[in-house]
Amino acid sequence: DAKTTQPPSMDCAEGRAANLPCNHSTISGNEYVYWYRQIHSQGPQYIIHGLKNNETNEMASLIITEDRKSSTLILPHATLRDTAVYYCIVRVHSGTYKYIFGTGTRLKVLA
Amino acid sequence: GAVVSQHPSWVICKSGTSVKIECRSLDFQATTMFWYRQFPKQSLMLMATSNEGSKATYEQGVEKDKFLINHASLTLSTLTVTSAHPEDSSFYICSATKTPGAYEQYFGPGTRLTVT
Repeated sequence: DAKTTQPPSMDCAEGRAANLPCNHSTISGNEYVYWYRQIHSQGPQYIIHGLKNNETNEMASLIITEDRKSSTLILPHATLRDTAVYYCIVRVHSGTYKYIFGTGTRLKVLA
Repeated sequence: GAVVSQHPSWVICKSGTSVKIECRSLDFQATTMFWYRQFPKQSLMLMATSNEGSKATYEQGVEKDKFLINHASLTLSTLTVTSAHPEDSSFYICSATKTPGAYEQYFGPGTRLTVT
């Protein structure tokens, strides 16, 4: 079962910051949070990951709450090309490390 | 870079036939590969994990005799859907990691299977 819950959809104005929330209240201490996005009929694209510290890269920022029960992905200046389904994923270890995908948030960036 | 390819990108087959999907890591050796299935407007569902040279580990509810996975080399894994039926029509996506505990999975572009 998925360990994450996300809102099913969000809209964001072009040029504005997109803040995508994710709840992972059952996350264990050594489980990482990952964010990927999937543009229609393509394979998922890696965005960012973190354990407990906030992270930033050229694509986005990841803010993880101190209790690690939730996180927020921030796209600082959304463009039309950021329209996609965004998945918040917890990487679990069950024999091997594997991703358990949640239902994702369908982000629509509006012109 | 870390590029994963899949072949074919789409395939149509008749009910009762088998179809093979290839997943290749083009510029790295993949110790572990994963196979996912995605139905329209749904999320990715992990089907199985395969390590080079060993048997695949299937997720609960996935029929191992129907979805045959072979990971014969460090750059190639194949998924064979045997005796395909219309309900097997789906988007099949593979991913690969460079090392067993690697942080990032690199995903292929997916293969759309339609069974008529």
